[in-house]
Amino acid sequence: DQQVKQNSPSLSVQEGRISILNCDYTNSMFDYFLWYKKYPAEGPTFLISISSIKDKNEDGRFTVFLNKSAKHLSLHIVPSQPGDSAVYFCAASGPTGTYKYIFGTGTRLKVLA
Amino acid sequence: DGGITQSPKYLFRKEGQNVTLSCEQNLNHDAMYWYRQDPGQGLRLIYYSHIVNDFQKGDIAEGYSVSREKKESFPLTVTSAQKNPTAFYLCASYGRGDQPQHFGDGTRLSIL
Repeated sequence: DQQVKQNSPSLSVQEGRISILNCDYTNSMFDYFLWYKKYPAEGPTFLISISSIKDKNEDGRFTVFLNKSAKHLSLHIVPSQPGDSAVYFCAASGPTGTYKYIFGTGTRLKVLA
Repeated sequence: DGGITQSPKYLFRKEGQNVTLSCEQNLNHDAMYWYRQDPGQGLRLIYYSHIVNDFQKGDIAEGYSVSREKKESFPLTVTSAQKNPTAFYLCASYGRGDQPQHFGDGTRLSIL
């Protein structure tokens, strides 16, 4: 039973346009969500996170939106750049104090120059 | 410069052999984790430890063992009981509530 789902295995976007990566979760006890970016043969690097008390968090070109009623979060990258091409994982944690992450299966983003 | 060091980067295992993957961190983090990544799959938790001399099984612990004798070190042994060990193994650590897990660069294990 997969508690965190990324239903799009891949996404292609033109450089300069918006990339939208989606993630759904099933466990209502999750209260902290993260996005990681991963290049081949490297470890994931943290990108952005959001607590369940917020519905939006922004960091430069990256914005994460959380819709708790729909159990859905999304990562927006604007504008997309070729260096953003990587696999993006969403992860969920909770309840607070549970320091374990549940990861989705990842979405491979390709930004076309 | 603080971080997590995983070694070796590539490792080959013969049939019936146990192999140990190293993970060392100098971030002074209490918690450490081992994940396995297979093609097209997310990261699956093998074992984790929130404090020295204590560790817990994750979702796919069968065929693996760990130890946590020092805060800085969390080695993972892939035993001969793990029938499908070929994967990319990632170690992570975690310091405090407002910081995310920090990952090493992984070890790719293959079967000879």
